[in-house]
Amino acid sequence: KAGVTQTPRYLIKTRGQQVTLSCSPISGHRSVSWYQQTPGQGLQFLFEYFSETQRNKGNFPGRFSGRQFSNSRSEMNVSTLELGDSALYLCASSLGPDGNSNSPLHFGNGTRLTVT
Amino acid sequence: QKEVEQNSGPLSVPEGAIASLNCTYSDRVSQSFFWYRQYSGKSPELIMSIYSNGDKEDGRFTAQLNKASQYVSLLIRDSQPSDSATYLCAVAGAGSYQLTFGKGTKLSVIP
Repeated sequence: KAGVTQTPRYLIKTRGQQVTLSCSPISGHRSVSWYQQTPGQGLQFLFEYFSETQRNKGNFPGRFSGRQFSNSRSEMNVSTLELGDSALYLCASSLGPDGNSNSPLHFGNGTRLTVT
Repeated sequence: QKEVEQNSGPLSVPEGAIASLNCTYSDRVSQSFFWYRQYSGKSPELIMSIYSNGDKEDGRFTAQLNKASQYVSLLIRDSQPSDSATYLCAVAGAGSYQLTFGKGTKLSVIP
């Protein structure tokens, strides 16, 4: 079974530009989450989608947005890029919640975004 | 503010020894617990999930959960140089759809 696929792998953008990252989950997974990873802050939750609905959002400014399509594929968008947005952006998919438990997240290889 | 704390390390162990990685969490209602391994320049890879108090074993890995103490650990037996990586502890609350990650413990297994 194919894993989580993220495109592109690397991006270089200039301050003020906007960027769209794409994620295809594991087949059959309906939950897609996005995380930002930086050396100083570690992995921080951006948002999570299930059946095209955003169920939870992390503590990031409104410049960060996302969506999920009917085939569970997801995109995230960052507008008006800032230098501090340089990070590894990870997408993860899972089956979703199971009662009070959560099925594990499976991560893609990430998109390395550099803002200059 | 939910927090997950890990010793950043580095933790150095000789090859063949047991590596013990620890994690504490602040949200008492947390229900799901995970350990991920991340090699430098790679994405996190799931090693173990644990949901109930006690031990869960999978090959050389054993996860231990103590909800009363808000403590979860990972033991790696017969450590190998290929186990050298950063180990991330992650926690999710009941009905929560997000994981809170610790900043990771860097493990170095010395041949």
